[in-house]
Amino acid sequence: DAMVIQNPRYQVTQFGKPVTLSCSQTLNHNVMYWYQQKSSQAPKLLFHYYDKDFNNEADTPDNFQSRRPNTSFCFLDIRSPGLGDAAMYLCATSRGVGSPLHFGNGTRLTVT
Amino acid sequence: AQRVTQPEKLLSVFKGAPVELKCNYSYSGSPELFWYVQYSRQRLQLLLRHISRESIKGFTADLNKGETSFHLKKPFAQEEDSAMYYCALNKRPGTASKLTFGTGTRLQVTL
Repeated sequence: DAMVIQNPRYQVTQFGKPVTLSCSQTLNHNVMYWYQQKSSQAPKLLFHYYDKDFNNEADTPDNFQSRRPNTSFCFLDIRSPGLGDAAMYLCATSRGVGSPLHFGNGTRLTVT
Repeated sequence: AQRVTQPEKLLSVFKGAPVELKCNYSYSGSPELFWYVQYSRQRLQLLLRHISRESIKGFTADLNKGETSFHLKKPFAQEEDSAMYYCALNKRPGTASKLTFGTGTRLQVTL
């Protein structure tokens, strides 16, 4: 079953300790997105890749970086997590123009 | 700036009752609007989009540009409709979708 897979489902990291969240897809979609969703808030787009082209949202903190080494994988790196970065992180893919988003189950990040 | 507003955090209805989940948007151009749903312990998934003008699981949504609304409706609620519903706006039509989401409404259908 073609899917968007996020690992791990739950991630705990310490304040200031770098952490990487991963996303893989078997849909062969061109576009991969990372959204951040804090409790009771709307999912907020951090950035997306269209193939190898990286597109950062203007208000995404520099603390957040992303890598897409190939079509199937995309990583979210948080260089120095703060307590305010605790959230659900959602990965999504789409084929491109006019195509709906397909979401993974998310990774819930806790910062201690 | 683009904005999506879902005024109700929780909507509780009885089985068989009509459902209307409200969504209002602000956008300067011609919008693309969507409803996404998240059932318990499942991933966020597309329910419907305004350009399709279709009914999915008995739900419909009509884009009203005059009122800048895209309310989601169903005439008779079912238990399996209980879920979190998000309205979303694509702020870059014609390119890879970049969705702005509302804060969501939890629909609770009770017997």
